[in-house]
Order: sequence, then C-alpha cells, then structure tokens
Amino acid sequence: NAGVTQTPKFRILKIGQSMTLQCAQDMNHNYMYWYRQDPGMGLKLIYYSVGAGITDKGEVPNGYNVSRSTTEDFPLRLELAAPSQTSVYFCASSAGTYTDTQYFGPGTRLTVL
Amino acid sequence: AQSVTQLGSHVSVSEGALVLLRCNYSSSVPPYLFWYVQYPNQGLQLLLKYTTGATLVKGINGFEAEFKKSETSFHLTKPSAHMSDAAEYFCAVSDIADYKLSFGAGTTVTVRA
Repeated sequence: NAGVTQTPKFRILKIGQSMTLQCAQDMNHNYMYWYRQDPGMGLKLIYYSVGAGITDKGEVPNGYNVSRSTTEDFPLRLELAAPSQTSVYFCASSAGTYTDTQYFGPGTRLTVL
Repeated sequence: AQSVTQLGSHVSVSEGALVLLRCNYSSSVPPYLFWYVQYPNQGLQLLLKYTTGATLVKGINGFEAEFKKSETSFHLTKPSAHMSDAAEYFCAVSDIADYKLSFGAGTTVTVRA
C-alpha cells in the first residue's frame, strides 16, 4: 500500500512553460485535493475532487487546471508557468468529508525562473 | 467560512520541556479541528483530531489537544519534548457548512539539546 504518490519530486520550469504534476492514490478514496505551500502561509487549496469526473475550484485556482478520469489519479496542470507559481505542491486524499483524515503525498518542489 | 490563527511562527524548547502550540479558530457552526505535523522534506501527517465527544484528544507521539469552545481554541501540548519532535505543526479546521480544510500558517518547533 503506497498511499499517495506524487511525481516528480523536483522540477525547474522556465516562464511560459507548461507541465503536469502527477498524483495517484491506492486507498480507493473518493476525495482528492491539491494544495500549495508557501513559507509562512500554511497550505492553500487549489482544486479538489469528490469523485471521478467531478472537480471544483479551491481558494487559489488561477493558473491551474485539473482532471479526474479515474478514482486513483488526480493530475494538476500548470499552463504558462509564472514565478508566482514557485511553491511546494501537495496532493492529498480522504475517504469522505469533514471529519476524515487527509493523507498527503511527499510533495513536488517547483521553481519557475 | 472558517479560519485558523496559530500564535507564534517559531517555538524553541529544551529537550524534556513542555511543548505548547497555540491555535484559535473561527467558525459559525461547530468545528472539526485537526493538528498535522510535517517533518523536513515530507508531506503532512495527522497528529490528532477533534470531531465530537471528549474535548481532550490524545494523538500520536505523546501529543494531546483540548477543544475549548468558550475560548475558540485547540492548543496542542506535549509534556516532555524529544529531539524527534522538531518539525512544523499545522492546525486546521473544517465544519459541516464548508467541509474543506482551512490551515493555519504553521508553527516550526526547534528542540535544543
């Protein structure tokens, strides 16, 4: 049982480039989340999904897109990368809603230069 | 909407001393409260959570927290710090009206030998 996995661990992008951050979970969780973590700011929710085919915006969705074609996978797409997207990105999953534990992946450290 | 304030971005304690991390929340409905820990270069993992019932909650690694409705607080304590407690700690809140987690800015704990 690998839990939540994320790839890549590190990436450097040039301004204007695009990339996809991969996230997968093997716990059969319906709910999946993408967060970004910036120093001193805690975690901010980018997008979330309550099941395959269903996604919704979080607190900071601008510049990002997601899709959820399967229960297991929840990729995050960055189009036209900007320096403001330099951050650490975490994917998480949970079985249900407000009382359930969220399980986090190890993170992707992204730098946009 | 709910929000979380963590008092003190950095806390330094001596090994064997009390660890006290402060968290205050705002929520218009009964909250569900969480403490997560992040060790260096890792994802977040759950320390403990309060959903309903007993207001003193025990978690992993000797940590506990008490939900005080009158003070809108959920402070985290550990009687005796260990070197392995050095990490960043996040308080988070959700509720039935907005089930997504809102995180505090985090508190970094340093343990002195």
